[in-house]
Amino acid sequence: SSELTQDPAVSVALGQTVRITCQGDSLRNFFANWFQQKPGQAPILVIYGQNNRPSGIPDRFSGSSSGNTASLTITGAQAEDEADYYCNTRDTSGNHRGVVFGGGTRLTVL
Amino acid sequence: QLQLQESGPGLVKPSETLSLTCTVSGDSISSGTYYWGWIRQPPGKGLEWIGSIYNGGTTYYNPSLKSRVTISVDTSKNQFSLKLNSVTAADTAVYYCARHESYGGNPTGTFDRWGQGTLVTVSS
Repeated sequence: SSELTQDPAVSVALGQTVRITCQGDSLRNFFANWFQQKPGQAPILVIYGQNNRPSGIPDRFSGSSSGNTASLTITGAQAEDEADYYCNTRDTSGNHRGVVFGGGTRLTVL
Repeated sequence: QLQLQESGPGLVKPSETLSLTCTVSGDSISSGTYYWGWIRQPPGKGLEWIGSIYNGGTTYYNPSLKSRVTISVDTSKNQFSLKLNSVTAADTAVYYCARHESYGGNPTGTFDRWGQGTLVTVSS
C-alpha cells in the first residue's frame, strides 16, 4: 500500500503563516484531505479536494498541491490552531482500493 | 444533523475478537453515495484506516489488517460493525467510526463525519 510522509512537528509564531506538508506518490494522482485533531477529540476535516473548506472552517486554512506534495497553509495562525494535523488520500496501489493517512504533524503556536 | 456513535466492550482479552458497532442517526445509512469506515489511533500515535463498507455491501480493508477484519452493515438498525479477530496488545487504540465520500464507486479520504471514538484495551 502507499505511504504519506509528514514532518512530526512544526511551530509558528502567533499571527504568522505556517505550511504543513505531506508527501507521497498517491498525491500525484489524488488530492489530499486534511484533518485537525485536538487532545481527546475526534479529528475534524478542515480541507478536502483541491482546496475546499467544510462549513465552519475559517478561511485562514487553505490547501495546495504540486507533484507528490500536498500542503496545508494556515495564514495568520491563532492559538486555537495548535493541534495535530493529518493528511490522507486515496490508495489505489495494485488491486487495492482504500485510504492512507500520513503520520501527523504536531503544530505548536508560539 | 448526522451523528455517529461507537459502542462495544472497552476491554478485550488477547487472542479474542474485538467487536464494535457504530450507530448512525440523523440520516439513513443507505442514502447517498457514502462509505462507512473504521479508523483507529493507538495511544500517542497517528490515525490508521482499518476498512470501509458501501451501502451495497462492498468492503475494502487495510491490507495490513485484511486477514483479521470484517466490516458489516445492518440497514434495518442503521448500524455498521467491526470485528477484528486474534487481537494483541498492539490493537489497543481509540476506534473511530466515520462517514466518507465515494467517487466512482471507490472510497475517498473525505471523512466528513466522525464518532467521538471509543478506547479498546487488549489485556488479560
